[in-house]
Amino acid sequence: GAGVSQSPSNKVTEKGKDVELRCDPISGHTALYWYRQRLGQGLEFLIYFQGNSAPDKSGLPSDRFSAERTGESVSTLTIQRTQQEDSAVYLCASSPRQATTGNTIYFGEGSWLTVV
Amino acid sequence: KQEVTQIPAALSVPEGENLVLNCSFTDSAIYNLQWFRQDPGKGLTSLLLIQSSQREQTSGRLNASLDKSSGRSTLYIAASQPGDSATYLCAVRPGNDYKLSFGAGTTVTVRA
Repeated sequence: GAGVSQSPSNKVTEKGKDVELRCDPISGHTALYWYRQRLGQGLEFLIYFQGNSAPDKSGLPSDRFSAERTGESVSTLTIQRTQQEDSAVYLCASSPRQATTGNTIYFGEGSWLTVV
Repeated sequence: KQEVTQIPAALSVPEGENLVLNCSFTDSAIYNLQWFRQDPGKGLTSLLLIQSSQREQTSGRLNASLDKSSGRSTLYIAASQPGDSATYLCAVRPGNDYKLSFGAGTTVTVRA
C-alpha cells in the first residue's frame, strides 16, 4: 500500500485478555518501529526491527509484551493479560535502510487500545 | 541519554500570524532531526527532515532550521491558517543509533 497500515484502528478489551496489533509497513522498507503514546504524553520506544537482524526489544515494558516480524513484511505486537495502564495508542513506523541519508520515518495511524 | 525539549507546550495565535516552534536537544551528535505533525486521534505525519550536515529545509510555508552545535531546531510556519492547528513534534535520531528521541510536542491553535 501507499503508507503504513495498522489494524485494528480501535480496540476495547477487558482487563486480563490478550490483544494482537498488526502493522503493514511500506513495501521495501526494511526498518520497522513500534512506539507507544499514552494520553497526553510523548512517544515511548518499544521495539525495532531491521531486516533479518535480531530485533532491539529494549523498550518493551514487561514480559507481557512481545513482537514478531516476518522477514521485511508484516509485524504483530502482542500484549498478554492486558492491564489498564496498557491503554494507549500503539504507533508503527517504517523507513528505508536506516543507514541511508534522507531516510524519513513514516508512521501509521495507530491502533487505539482501551483496556476496561 | 538524549533529552528533547519543546517550548512552548501550547501556543494560540490568530490566523495569519507566523508561528515559531522551538526544539532543543542535549546531545549534539545527531544523525538527523525530523518534524512531525499529529492531529487529534491520528498518527504522525512527517513534515521535514534535516540531516546533521544541513542548516535548513523548506517545504511550502514550512521552514525548519538546525543549529547542531547549540542543540536547537526551529520550525517556522508562515501565514498560519486554522488548518495548521495540531500538535507538532520534533524527533532526533542519534548518530550511532536508530531509536528516535521525541519531544513532548507543541500544541498549536490557530484562531479564525
